[in-house]
Amino acid sequence: SAVISQKPSRDICQRGTSLTIQCQVDSQVTMMFWYRQQPGQSLTLIATANQGSEATYESGFVIDKFPISRPNLTFSTLTVSNMSPEDSSIYLCSVDSSAIRNYGYTFGSGTRLTVV
Amino acid sequence: AQTVTQSQPEMSVQEAETVTLSCTYDTSENNYYLFWYKQPPSRQMILVIRQEAYKQQNATENRFSVNFQKAAKSFSLKISDSQLGDTAMYFCAFMSLNAGGTSYGKLTFGQGTILTVHP
Repeated sequence: SAVISQKPSRDICQRGTSLTIQCQVDSQVTMMFWYRQQPGQSLTLIATANQGSEATYESGFVIDKFPISRPNLTFSTLTVSNMSPEDSSIYLCSVDSSAIRNYGYTFGSGTRLTVV
Repeated sequence: AQTVTQSQPEMSVQEAETVTLSCTYDTSENNYYLFWYKQPPSRQMILVIRQEAYKQQNATENRFSVNFQKAAKSFSLKISDSQLGDTAMYFCAFMSLNAGGTSYGKLTFGQGTILTVHP
């Protein structure tokens, strides 16, 4: 399966600022996903990022708040813009790294964001 | 839209014993995958086991096995010979294989069950 390097692992940010999270995959993948995990909660999909096209956002998430880049098949970034304390969460990227008919998703190690 | 429900917020088990975590889901689709993921305190999401909906045989991975009841839309995880390292949050997840649908390739997670294994 693919190996994902996600950076930073954690950060403490001032409200009103922005943070960009990076995910680097060691192999080419078509679909990359960004999830948010609020404290003590489950994972919620923010958006799907395909190379060469605009990201597709889930209900409740907008591009102005969470802009995503996908410049190639191994890399993506998620920016959390104009942060507020409510944005304090773990953010995870994920890829489908499996062969056909053997689905499995690999996750990055997550970015723990605290907004003060 | 799909929903996944885990009705057990917390479970505990003694080391070496067996525990079963429950999961139910709701979908109108016929072609999908189901997963169990483990998230230890390190927060790394680790795939435990997967089940293809078209397979009647229940998936097994060493000490982990599932009881997949498609008609009942139930997908429970059994952990045998529990170990201290099994202590984690466990998430049940659904993925649609309907290539024409908006849910294709996306994981929908349940609320999670915190499992604690006691020595």
